[in-house]
Amino acid sequence: QVVLTQSPSASASLGASVKLTCTLSSGHSSYTIAWHQQQPEKGPRFLMNLNYDGSQTKGDGVPDRFSGSSSGAERYLTISSLQSEDEADYYCQTWGTGFRVFGGGTQLTVL
Amino acid sequence: EVQLVESGGGLVQPGGSLRLSCTVSGFTSSSHWMSWVRQAPGKGLEWVANIRQDGSEKYYVDSVKGRFTISRDNAKNSLYLQMISLRAEDTALYFCAREKFGTYIDSWGQGTLVTVSS
Repeated sequence: QVVLTQSPSASASLGASVKLTCTLSSGHSSYTIAWHQQQPEKGPRFLMNLNYDGSQTKGDGVPDRFSGSSSGAERYLTISSLQSEDEADYYCQTWGTGFRVFGGGTQLTVL
Repeated sequence: EVQLVESGGGLVQPGGSLRLSCTVSGFTSSSHWMSWVRQAPGKGLEWVANIRQDGSEKYYVDSVKGRFTISRDNAKNSLYLQMISLRAEDTALYFCAREKFGTYIDSWGQGTLVTVSS
Protein backbone atom coordinates (compact mmCIF):
# COMPACT_ATOMS: atom_id res chain seq x y z
CA GLN A 1 0.00 0.00 0.00
CA VAL A 2 1.19 3.52 -0.77
CA VAL A 3 2.95 5.49 1.96
CA LEU A 4 3.32 9.28 2.03
CA THR A 5 6.36 10.81 3.73
CA GLN A 6 6.55 14.42 4.92
CA SER A 7 9.18 16.28 6.92
CA PRO A 8 7.83 16.93 10.43
CA SER A 9 8.63 20.62 10.45
CA ALA A 10 9.56 23.59 8.31
CA SER A 11 10.04 27.28 8.90
CA ALA A 12 10.34 30.44 6.85
CA SER A 13 10.17 34.16 7.38
CA LEU A 14 7.17 36.39 6.98
CA GLY A 15 6.92 37.47 3.34
CA ALA A 16 9.25 34.73 2.10
CA SER A 17 8.43 31.52 0.24
CA VAL A 18 8.52 27.94 1.43
CA LYS A 19 8.29 24.62 -0.41
CA LEU A 20 6.86 21.61 1.41
CA THR A 21 7.45 18.09 0.14
CA CYS A 22 5.35 14.94 0.10
CA THR A 23 7.11 11.80 -1.14
CA LEU A 24 5.24 8.82 -2.53
CA SER A 25 6.58 5.38 -1.73
CA SER A 26 8.37 3.28 -4.32
CA GLY A 27 6.18 2.11 -7.17
CA HIS A 28 3.56 4.79 -6.61
CA SER A 29 5.10 7.80 -8.32
CA SER A 30 2.11 8.33 -10.61
CA TYR A 31 -0.39 8.86 -7.80
CA THR A 32 -2.40 12.03 -7.50
CA ILE A 33 -2.41 13.61 -4.05
CA ALA A 34 -4.33 16.31 -2.23
CA TRP A 35 -2.92 18.97 0.07
CA HIS A 36 -4.78 20.03 3.20
CA GLN A 37 -4.08 22.82 5.69
CA GLN A 38 -4.95 22.67 9.37
CA GLN A 39 -4.59 25.89 11.31
CA PRO A 40 -4.29 25.65 15.10
CA GLU A 41 -7.49 24.52 16.81
CA LYS A 42 -9.36 24.27 13.51
CA GLY A 43 -10.58 21.54 11.22
CA PRO A 44 -8.56 20.81 8.09
CA ARG A 45 -9.11 22.72 4.88
CA PHE A 46 -8.69 21.32 1.38
CA LEU A 47 -6.13 23.31 -0.61
CA MET A 48 -5.69 21.47 -3.89
CA ASN A 49 -5.31 18.20 -5.64
CA LEU A 50 -2.05 17.67 -7.53
CA ASN A 51 -1.39 15.25 -10.36
CA TYR A 52 1.89 13.58 -11.36
CA ASP A 53 2.31 16.08 -14.19
CA GLY A 54 1.87 19.11 -11.93
CA SER A 55 -1.66 19.91 -13.00
CA GLN A 56 -3.78 20.98 -10.06
CA THR A 57 -7.24 22.03 -9.01
CA LYS A 58 -7.52 24.36 -6.05
CA GLY A 59 -10.26 24.50 -3.51
CA ASP A 60 -12.67 27.39 -3.29
CA GLY A 61 -11.06 30.56 -2.02
CA VAL A 62 -7.53 29.22 -1.87
CA PRO A 63 -5.20 32.16 -2.53
CA ASP A 64 -2.93 32.24 -5.56
CA ARG A 65 0.00 32.25 -3.13
CA PHE A 66 -0.52 28.50 -2.82
CA SER A 67 0.72 26.41 -5.73
CA GLY A 68 1.66 22.82 -6.37
CA SER A 69 4.23 21.06 -8.51
CA SER A 70 5.47 17.52 -9.09
CA SER A 71 8.71 15.77 -9.90
CA GLY A 72 8.83 11.98 -10.03
CA ALA A 73 7.58 10.69 -6.69
CA GLU A 74 7.73 14.12 -5.09
CA ARG A 75 4.73 16.38 -4.70
CA TYR A 76 5.33 19.93 -3.60
CA LEU A 77 3.32 22.69 -2.02
CA THR A 78 4.83 26.14 -2.41
CA ILE A 79 3.52 29.03 -0.38
CA SER A 80 4.75 32.43 -1.44
CA SER A 81 4.54 35.78 0.36
CA LEU A 82 4.11 33.99 3.66
CA GLN A 83 1.59 35.44 6.06
CA SER A 84 1.13 34.76 9.74
CA GLU A 85 -2.07 32.81 9.10
CA ASP A 86 -0.11 30.33 6.98
CA GLU A 87 1.37 28.97 10.20
CA ALA A 88 -0.35 25.60 10.26
CA ASP A 89 0.04 21.88 9.74
CA TYR A 90 0.02 20.69 6.15
CA TYR A 91 -0.99 17.19 5.17
CA CYS A 92 -0.85 15.34 1.89
CA GLN A 93 -3.38 12.63 1.13
CA THR A 94 -3.84 9.98 -1.51
CA TRP A 95 -6.18 7.09 -2.14
CA GLY A 96 -6.81 3.72 -3.70
CA THR A 97 -9.61 1.19 -3.78
CA GLY A 98 -10.59 0.58 -0.22
CA PHE A 99 -8.19 2.95 1.45
CA ARG A 100 -7.26 6.56 1.99
CA VAL A 101 -3.92 7.56 3.46
CA PHE A 102 -2.38 10.70 4.89
CA GLY A 103 1.20 11.76 5.27
CA GLY A 104 2.42 12.48 8.77
CA GLY A 105 2.07 16.21 8.25
CA THR A 106 4.49 19.14 8.23
CA GLN A 107 4.24 21.80 10.90
CA LEU A 108 5.04 25.14 9.30
CA THR A 109 6.34 27.96 11.47
CA VAL A 110 6.30 31.50 10.10
CA LEU A 111 9.14 33.44 11.69
CA GLU B 1 -22.14 27.06 1.28
CA VAL B 2 -20.94 23.54 1.93
CA GLN B 3 -21.22 22.63 5.61
CA LEU B 4 -20.54 19.44 7.52
CA VAL B 5 -21.46 19.41 11.20
CA GLU B 6 -20.49 16.53 13.45
CA SER B 7 -22.13 15.62 16.73
CA GLY B 8 -22.35 12.79 19.21
CA GLY B 9 -18.90 12.86 20.72
CA GLY B 10 -18.27 12.61 24.43
CA LEU B 11 -16.64 10.71 27.27
CA VAL B 12 -17.12 6.95 27.24
CA GLN B 13 -15.58 4.14 29.25
CA PRO B 14 -13.36 1.51 27.62
CA GLY B 15 -15.53 -1.15 26.06
CA GLY B 16 -18.38 1.30 25.61
CA SER B 17 -20.21 2.49 22.53
CA LEU B 18 -20.91 5.77 20.84
CA ARG B 19 -22.66 6.89 17.67
CA LEU B 20 -21.37 9.89 15.78
CA SER B 21 -23.51 11.85 13.34
CA CYS B 22 -22.67 14.28 10.59
CA THR B 23 -25.29 16.50 9.03
CA VAL B 24 -24.41 18.10 5.74
CA SER B 25 -25.84 21.02 3.82
CA GLY B 26 -25.02 23.07 0.75
CA PHE B 27 -24.62 20.05 -1.50
CA THR B 28 -26.39 16.86 -2.48
CA SER B 29 -24.94 14.29 -0.11
CA SER B 30 -26.18 11.40 -2.25
CA SER B 31 -23.71 12.46 -4.96
CA HIS B 32 -20.61 11.94 -2.88
CA TRP B 33 -18.57 9.29 -1.16
CA MET B 34 -18.16 10.30 2.46
CA SER B 35 -15.40 9.61 4.97
CA TRP B 36 -14.64 9.72 8.67
CA VAL B 37 -11.14 10.85 9.61
CA ARG B 38 -9.76 11.10 13.14
CA GLN B 39 -6.95 12.92 14.88
CA ALA B 40 -5.60 11.73 18.21
CA PRO B 41 -4.42 14.48 20.57
CA GLY B 42 -1.22 16.01 19.22
CA LYS B 43 -1.09 13.58 16.30
CA GLY B 44 -1.74 13.62 12.58
CA LEU B 45 -4.77 12.74 10.53
CA GLU B 46 -5.87 9.12 10.20
CA TRP B 47 -8.54 7.96 7.78
CA VAL B 48 -11.08 5.72 9.53
CA ALA B 49 -13.77 4.67 7.06
CA ASN B 50 -15.67 5.68 3.96
CA ILE B 51 -18.90 4.84 2.22
CA ARG B 52 -20.12 4.95 -1.37
CA GLN B 53 -22.97 7.23 -2.40
CA ASP B 54 -25.63 4.51 -2.13
CA GLY B 55 -24.03 2.75 0.83
CA SER B 56 -23.19 -0.33 -1.23
CA GLU B 57 -19.46 -0.13 -0.52
CA LYS B 58 -17.81 0.53 2.82
CA TYR B 59 -14.15 0.43 3.74
CA TYR B 60 -12.34 0.66 7.05
CA VAL B 61 -8.84 1.07 8.41
CA ASP B 62 -7.68 -2.23 9.89
CA SER B 63 -7.63 -0.94 13.48
CA VAL B 64 -11.41 -0.40 13.55
CA LYS B 65 -12.66 -3.30 11.46
CA GLY B 66 -15.31 -5.26 13.31
CA ARG B 67 -15.82 -2.47 15.85
CA PHE B 68 -16.90 0.55 13.79
CA THR B 69 -19.72 0.73 11.26
CA ILE B 70 -20.21 3.57 8.81
CA SER B 71 -23.66 4.27 7.42
CA ARG B 72 -25.64 7.05 5.82
CA ASP B 73 -29.17 8.32 5.33
CA ASN B 74 -29.25 10.41 2.18
CA ALA B 75 -32.84 11.47 2.81
CA LYS B 76 -31.63 13.12 6.01
CA ASN B 77 -28.34 14.33 4.51
CA SER B 78 -26.60 12.49 7.29
CA LEU B 79 -23.58 10.28 7.83
CA TYR B 80 -23.03 8.09 10.88
CA LEU B 81 -20.28 6.19 12.63
CA GLN B 82 -21.34 3.55 15.12
CA MET B 83 -18.46 2.69 17.42
CA ILE B 84 -18.44 -0.27 19.81
CA SER B 85 -15.80 -1.91 22.01
CA LEU B 86 -14.07 1.45 22.28
CA ARG B 87 -10.45 1.56 23.39
CA ALA B 88 -8.27 4.29 24.84
CA GLU B 89 -6.48 4.54 21.49
CA ASP B 90 -9.77 5.55 19.83
CA THR B 91 -9.61 8.84 21.71
CA ALA B 92 -9.53 11.49 19.01
CA LEU B 93 -11.24 14.34 17.27
CA TYR B 94 -13.45 12.75 14.60
CA PHE B 95 -14.01 14.64 11.36
CA CYS B 96 -16.67 14.08 8.77
CA ALA B 97 -15.42 14.68 5.23
CA ARG B 98 -16.72 14.79 1.69
CA GLU B 99 -14.85 13.07 -1.09
CA LYS B 100 -14.52 14.25 -4.65
CA PHE B 101 -15.53 11.46 -7.06
CA GLY B 102 -14.53 8.90 -4.45
CA THR B 103 -10.93 10.09 -4.39
CA TYR B 104 -9.58 13.01 -2.41
CA ILE B 105 -11.31 14.84 0.40
CA ASP B 106 -12.50 18.28 -0.65
CA SER B 107 -14.57 19.42 2.33
CA TRP B 108 -14.24 18.93 6.08
CA GLY B 109 -16.29 19.38 9.20
CA GLN B 110 -14.97 20.88 12.42
CA GLY B 111 -14.91 17.63 14.33
CA THR B 112 -16.42 16.05 17.42
CA LEU B 113 -14.27 14.86 20.30
CA VAL B 114 -14.40 11.28 21.51
CA THR B 115 -12.63 10.49 24.78
CA VAL B 116 -12.33 6.89 25.91
CA SER B 117 -11.33 6.79 29.54
CA SER B 118 -12.35 5.26 32.84
